[in-house]
Amino acid sequence: NAGVTQTPKFQVLKTGQSMTLQCAQDMNHEYMSWYRQDPGMGLRLIHYSVGAGITDQGEVPNGYNVSRSTTEDFPLRLLSAAPSQTSVYFCASSYSVRSSYEQYFGPGTRLTVT
Amino acid sequence: GENVEQHPSTLSVQEGDSAVIKCTYSDSASNYFPWYKQELGKGPQLIIDIRSNVGEKKDQRIAVTLNKTAKHFSLHITETQPEDSAVYFCAAGGSYIPTFGRGTSLIVHP
Repeated sequence: NAGVTQTPKFQVLKTGQSMTLQCAQDMNHEYMSWYRQDPGMGLRLIHYSVGAGITDQGEVPNGYNVSRSTTEDFPLRLLSAAPSQTSVYFCASSYSVRSSYEQYFGPGTRLTVT
Repeated sequence: GENVEQHPSTLSVQEGDSAVIKCTYSDSASNYFPWYKQELGKGPQLIIDIRSNVGEKKDQRIAVTLNKTAKHFSLHITETQPEDSAVYFCAAGGSYIPTFGRGTSLIVHP
């Protein structure tokens, strides 16, 4: 199993550009989520999905869109990049076993918006 | 929604000492409390978790305690080693999508 994969690893955008961060998991997990990590701010939830075709907003959804057409893929779209979206983005997938809801995180995408 | 406070933000210890990281949560309905470790340049990884029907859980050198009445839980690492140096996150919630604290940077000096 590759686990959770994210592409690209690094990206530089100009203000106003759009792009899609890719996330895929091969563990057949129902739950997937996107977080952003900023210094001193921890992990903040952007959007999440409880299954194919179902998505919902997290704590900081503005400026981002998601879709979940398959169980495996959960792309995050930046509609019009802003410097405030400079961050490290993590995708995660979750499963449950014996009362544990472990989240598996990808390696992250470091995004800089100039 | 849930609000999780985590302290301290930075913790520096000597190898072999114990380290304690504390978190408080606001939503009394939260019943799942995981702890994640993030090494430099990597995504967070679950190291231990506890449910609200358990007061304490131990796994080798790490342990987590939960006080539901006071709404706080703690991570205890004994006999710290340099490889324990990382950022640690607590989280609280219902199940799959918990709310995370802001993280504690643990530095273990050889």
